[in-house]
Amino acid sequence: NAGVMQNPRHLVRRRGQEARLRCSPMKGHSHVYWYRQLPEEGLKFMVYLQKENIIDESGMPKERFSAEFPKEGPSILRIQQVVRGDSAAYFCASSHVPDTQYFGPGTRLTVL
Amino acid sequence: DQQVKQNSPSLSVQEGRISILNCDYTNSMFDYFLWYKKYPAEGPTFLISISSIKDKNEDGRFTVFLNKSAKHLSLHIVPSQPGDSAVYFCAASARGNNQGGKLIFGQGTELSVKP
Repeated sequence: NAGVMQNPRHLVRRRGQEARLRCSPMKGHSHVYWYRQLPEEGLKFMVYLQKENIIDESGMPKERFSAEFPKEGPSILRIQQVVRGDSAAYFCASSHVPDTQYFGPGTRLTVL
Repeated sequence: DQQVKQNSPSLSVQEGRISILNCDYTNSMFDYFLWYKKYPAEGPTFLISISSIKDKNEDGRFTVFLNKSAKHLSLHIVPSQPGDSAVYFCAASARGNNQGGKLIFGQGTELSVKP
């Protein structure tokens, strides 16, 4: 039973470019969560999605960030016009019900 | 506003002894608590959880204790092994408050188990 998959594992972007981070939840899980870990900090909640619905986006920056979890395919976290402060590790987690969350390996975004 | 706090950034323990990691929270609506272990460049790995209706949960070498009146929980690892060396995160959620599964994390405690 494959765990949570994230790709790419490492992503380098120049300022102003777009970053797309993908997350495939564990089989049978319909709840997906995105977290961000800035250097020297803990994980911060960004957004919680179920298939085709955003349930809670209270942790998402108001501009440039968006997330989706379509009926088919992985969840996507999209960052437009990246800035150096977006450099961080982005983790996706999934769960069967809003309960114990299982995390993927993360995508490390570096903005030059 | 740091709702979940791990006040010890690091802890060093001798192999075979007990490791005790502590976590405090401020939000009385939290009703589910989890501990995760994290190695560098990897995602957090779920260790153990506890619901607010319990005060103890045990799984092998890992035991979590919850003191609701003190808003405090702790993770005990016994006996500690060198492979336990990692960063440990405490997390909490308010499932019963229509908050879904949103987890609030502490800052982490880096455990080092010395042979």
